[in-house]
Amino acid sequence: IMLTQSPATLSVTPGESISLSCRASQSISTNLHWYQQKPNESPRVLIKYASQSVSGIPSRFSGSGSGTDFTLNINRVEPEDFSIYYCQQSNTWPRTFGGGTKLELK
Amino acid sequence: EIQLQESGPGLVKPSQSLSLTCSVTGYTITSGYDWSWIRKFPGHKMEWMGYISYSGSTNYNPSLKSRVSISRDTSKNQFFLQLSSVTTEDTATYYCSKSGMGFTPFDYWGQGVMVTVSS
Repeated sequence: IMLTQSPATLSVTPGESISLSCRASQSISTNLHWYQQKPNESPRVLIKYASQSVSGIPSRFSGSGSGTDFTLNINRVEPEDFSIYYCQQSNTWPRTFGGGTKLELK
Repeated sequence: EIQLQESGPGLVKPSQSLSLTCSVTGYTITSGYDWSWIRKFPGHKMEWMGYISYSGSTNYNPSLKSRVSISRDTSKNQFFLQLSSVTTEDTATYYCSKSGMGFTPFDYWGQGVMVTVSS
């Protein structure tokens, strides 16, 4: 299953609210997870099963979608949010990741 | 708390084999879960390579064909990655990670080890 993320890069200013997209090549129900990866760190799960919150993750992160179209929303971007975001499907093997969206400071 | 730590050589010559170790603390790898290797290429692309389950069964990414092998040493609570016949395209940061059974995400990760394939 191919996952296509858009945009590849998003330039924003702190305080803006944004949406990142992840599209699957076939239906994956809600077996879609979002990760954040900061430079020199490992990825961490932000949202699991498309829309479920993860303990310890700020409430400004939320997710939606099912089937083939998914969205990660960040309500009022904070300076520490500038990093790369990946989606990953767990519906079928092999597990696959999207190409990532880099969130950068405008 | 579960912690994972990768170790291994940072430089491998083309055509040789890449071997990495993941040491797990805070949980016994034979008690549950799937234990995976994932790599991130320069330019951000990420690839799941395969896993070894708590029972010892394995599952590999078909894209790696027969080049990949994952094994474990239960006495040391470690699992291993071996990738044969490496080329420069195998240059990446390699992570070990844990996921639950079924449709779960990769919820614990090691810090990653950068491996360069170069002569």
